[in-house]
Amino acid sequence: AQRVTQPEKLLSVFKGAPVELKCNYSYSGSPELFWYVQYSRQRLQLLLRHISRESIKGFTADLNKGETSFHLKKPFAQEEDSAMYYCALSSGGSNYKLTFGKGTLLTVNP
Amino acid sequence: EPEVTQTPSHQVTQMGQEVILRCVPISNHLYFYWYRQILGQKVEFLVSFYNNEISEKSEIFDDQFSVERPDGSNFTLKIRSTKLEDSAMYFCASRRTLGQETQYFGPGTRLLVL
Repeated sequence: AQRVTQPEKLLSVFKGAPVELKCNYSYSGSPELFWYVQYSRQRLQLLLRHISRESIKGFTADLNKGETSFHLKKPFAQEEDSAMYYCALSSGGSNYKLTFGKGTLLTVNP
Repeated sequence: EPEVTQTPSHQVTQMGQEVILRCVPISNHLYFYWYRQILGQKVEFLVSFYNNEISEKSEIFDDQFSVERPDGSNFTLKIRSTKLEDSAMYFCASRRTLGQETQYFGPGTRLLVL
């Protein structure tokens, strides 16, 4: 069975501070990992895919298969980064359904 | 940029009533999904749909649930006889192809069963 764990329900930082949102996964195959973000009153949006190894809005995430982690990082948080962040795993195959973590609510204070 | 749309945004219904939640996926997408999120809990997969049939469903998706693509644009989720525990936010998502793994989500329908 696949599982995604986001240990922090809430994370509060000050503007300009580094931020790391933790994500650990459990999956027996070769996973595809994603970060989705949901800003207030908006839909879930894809932020990052591990396969593309890109930086979006200053965020990066590295897949660590040894630690089964896919932590999201940003060196200098901005107030507009305040949102709900969900880590998700795709099982691949023919369906690519997503398994989500419970989410971390990030608040960036001025 | 094209988006997945969902109607209604909110629905209140009495226990035991049937509800139909509607989604219009992005027009050139081939794979469709329903997820739900009970308040305070994680987003959970319900069902995936491809080539006019269910390709996978979760344990939650029992006989009370059904999905349909009645025409070339709509993708619906029907709950035949709603229960209190069906109260949740229901998200539709679509994806273009097998090689394109990004799922695009709709804004959700908040269903409240009284």
